[in-house]
Amino acid sequence: DVKVTQSSRYLVKRTGEKVFLECVQDMDHENMFWYRQDPGLGLRLIYFSYDVKMKEKGDIPEGYSVSREKKERFSLILESASTNQTSMYLCASSLGRPNEKLFFGSGTQLSVL
Amino acid sequence: AQSVSQHNHHVILSEAASLELGCNYSYGGTVNLFWYVQYPGQHLQLLLKYFSGDPLVKGIKGFEAEFIKSKFSFNLRKPSVQWSDTAEYFCAVTPNYGGSQGNLIFGKGTKLSVKP
Repeated sequence: DVKVTQSSRYLVKRTGEKVFLECVQDMDHENMFWYRQDPGLGLRLIYFSYDVKMKEKGDIPEGYSVSREKKERFSLILESASTNQTSMYLCASSLGRPNEKLFFGSGTQLSVL
Repeated sequence: AQSVSQHNHHVILSEAASLELGCNYSYGGTVNLFWYVQYPGQHLQLLLKYFSGDPLVKGIKGFEAEFIKSKFSFNLRKPSVQWSDTAEYFCAVTPNYGGSQGNLIFGKGTKLSVKP
């Protein structure tokens, strides 16, 4: 089974801190995605990547950046965390045709105080 | 911008009741359609998908969905729900733009609570 692992289940950070959220998948998937999930808003796409060193903005990229130096790893970076970035962050990956089936990680609940 | 609407925010049913969760999308062209489910404390997982062919799609755990192109709808159904179906359900759509796919657009989700 595909495994998508997010490094932390819960994180608490201070306003202004630089935050790194890490995601690793073990099935050689080309495509990786970062979403945030907020109650009543569903999932919103932050950034995605279809290949190593490649990144594309999703629907809500402001305040975020990403890094994909290796195929299996996709990092989300909050350059200067703000309270409105308190959310559940979900990483996902897929193989081949980009959106045939996404495999999700368990999520990181980030609280910015 | 494309959008996906899920009509119900929270549905509460008793066991053995029938379920229908509504989903409508706004894109007028060709689409691929999905339902994802998130059980309490678990990661999101694919329930079923529609790409082409028979518009009635069967998924895992007895769920099915029907694509009605004229209504831009992809409603999820189950004849008899169980307590273990308690979860949040997300409809998602991928528009096809002249042969290349866009990214998944998710609805806001419907929480289903099944009373034993």
